[in-house]
Amino acid sequence: AQSVTQLGSHVSVSEGALVLLRCNYSSSVPPYLFWYVQYPNQGLQLLLKYTTGATLVKGINGFEAEFKKSETSFHLTKPSAHMSDAAEYFCAVRNNFGNEKLTFGTGTRLTIIP
Amino acid sequence: DTEVTQTPKHLVMGMTNKKSLKCEQHMGHRAMYWYKQKAKKPPELMFVYSYEKLSINESVPSRFSPECPNSSLLNLHLHALQPEDSALYLCASSQGQATNEKLFFGSGTQLSVL
Repeated sequence: AQSVTQLGSHVSVSEGALVLLRCNYSSSVPPYLFWYVQYPNQGLQLLLKYTTGATLVKGINGFEAEFKKSETSFHLTKPSAHMSDAAEYFCAVRNNFGNEKLTFGTGTRLTIIP
Repeated sequence: DTEVTQTPKHLVMGMTNKKSLKCEQHMGHRAMYWYKQKAKKPPELMFVYSYEKLSINESVPSRFSPECPNSSLLNLHLHALQPEDSALYLCASSQGQATNEKLFFGSGTQLSVL
């Protein structure tokens, strides 16, 4: 079975500060990992994904994430928060095994303090 | 065109009504998905169509009936819904069903069942 755990359902950071959203995964086979963002009243948009190769993945809007197998983690970071980053962020996992579905974490709501 | 278009954006229906949700994409994607998202929760997979054939049904009640008339269109027919079915219904598409593929989401239909 596969799953992801997002630590912290709500994170607040000041504008210009570092953004760190935590995600740990559980998978019996090498995982594919994703971060999606959902703005209010919108669908989800892919920020970045890890499949194979380089463990530091760069995404859109200045976000990046690092796959750490030893820690089973895939934390999302951004050096300097912007007001427009306020949204719900979902970590997701999908195994490279047959026809597995994409499994989402419970989400982290990011609030930016002016 | 990299959009998934969903109509209507909002829908209010009674428990005896019959209504349909529509989803359209013109990216040539061959996999299309229906997700249900309750407030402050992650999306939950309902159905997957691959090459216009239903490939995954996540044990969804029969009051939800999906239909894929062609490779660009996906419908979700609703009948005799319950108030607990009120949620945001998201459509998504991907190039295929490979596990590392990016999903493109529509903005969703906010459904209220009275």
